[in-house]
Amino acid sequence: GAGVSQSPSNKVTEKGKDVELRCDPISGHTALYWYRQSLGQGLEFLIYFQGNSAPDKSGLPSDRFSAERTGGSVSTLTIQRTQQEDSAVYLCASSLASSGEETQYFGPGTRLLVL
Amino acid sequence: EDQVTQSPEALRLQEGESSSLNCSYTVSGLRGLFWYRQDPGKGPEFLFTLYSAGEEKEKERLKATLTKKESFLHITAPKPEDSATYLCAVQAPTGTASKLTFGTGTRLQVTL
Repeated sequence: GAGVSQSPSNKVTEKGKDVELRCDPISGHTALYWYRQSLGQGLEFLIYFQGNSAPDKSGLPSDRFSAERTGGSVSTLTIQRTQQEDSAVYLCASSLASSGEETQYFGPGTRLLVL
Repeated sequence: EDQVTQSPEALRLQEGESSSLNCSYTVSGLRGLFWYRQDPGKGPEFLFTLYSAGEEKEKERLKATLTKKESFLHITAPKPEDSATYLCAVQAPTGTASKLTFGTGTRLQVTL
């Protein structure tokens, strides 16, 4: 398919374990974004990549959260020592990031449950 | 700090009963205002982008409008398949691309 893909679709983990969430953006999209959606709350920005660099990491809630992007394509969001408050849907989006076309297209999300 | 407020939180309409959803925003210069639709268990689906006050866009039964302080999503003669959460987001003019700031959405239910 041509859309943004994310894996796994669901993840259940125990408190204290590390998790890795993957995002595969639309081919050719240079910008990639991670957001978090908690129950009853709006989408919360986490981090933005332009190519392989991250100009804006302002939304990462703590140093337990990190992300990387390699080859200007796939990105991985890592949460270390997970806590119950990390339970949420993690959404990835990508955009062309060219003048006049900045629409962000979202993937289906990874539903994370920390027990 | 950019802020987006959507109202109402929830809306129940009968099929064919037209209505409007509101998105009020505060942003230090608007680069774009975006409307998305989100179905349960899925990611947001792009609907519209509006860039300047007075702009309007339409798609099937949906029409989005923009002023300097708010945007409206008008739904004309809705059908049950229009039931979803509608999200509004703003983008401020920083850099080549930048984050979206979202409202908490309006949950729309359309009944027969």
